Amino acid sequence: GAVVSQHPSRVICKSGTSVKIECRSLDFQATTMFWYRQFPKKSLMLMATSNEGSKATYEQGVEKDKFLINHASLTLSTLTVTSAHPEDSSFYICSARDRGATDTQYFGPGTRLTVL
Amino acid sequence: GNSVTQMEGPVTLSEEAFLTINCTYTATGYPSLFWYVQYPGEGLQLLLKATKADDKGSNKGFEATYRKETTSFHLEKGSVQVSDSAVYFCALSARISGSRLTFGEGTQLTVNP
Repeated sequence: GAVVSQHPSRVICKSGTSVKIECRSLDFQATTMFWYRQFPKKSLMLMATSNEGSKATYEQGVEKDKFLINHASLTLSTLTVTSAHPEDSSFYICSARDRGATDTQYFGPGTRLTVL
Repeated sequence: GNSVTQMEGPVTLSEEAFLTINCTYTATGYPSLFWYVQYPGEGLQLLLKATKADDKGSNKGFEATYRKETTSFHLEKGSVQVSDSAVYFCALSARISGSRLTFGEGTQLTVNP
């Protein structure tokens, strides 16, 4: 149980285009999902907290107009990187918090974004 | 604020050696504590957790005990395998901060045959 999927696992795009990443909780309902960014050999940096049916809460320094987050249902959240630039290249990981176990987050496998 | 300090890596061991990765924390209130493992190119997997003082989390031969008096949650395994090679993250979650996870910097473990 407690499986979180991400799609795509890997994406390469041209500078200036937008990329959407999906995060799904497969066997549980997630009222809250989190989006992280991870740089090589570094820990995870929380970008935003996404609550179902409401606006996402962004961490300081994260541009909300560049990283659009939508949490339309209890099993799906999406992150759209708009007008991507090479400096947006990174490993993006989502996590979902089980509605019934509010202290535990389950992580997706990550999405490797490369912007050319 | 909340913080987690992990033993610096990388750690290199021979197969069947004993593993300890130290983790200490600072938090307001009574946090839950976690160890996550990340294999190359993958996301994080929950390895084990403990939600209150003196609890011991265990999984796949790994264990860690929540020590409130020393604010520690050290990860141990009696006999490591090559397949345990990964990055290990200690983390805490405190309700007062909306149950957001605070991570340590991660410790790279390499186990040689």
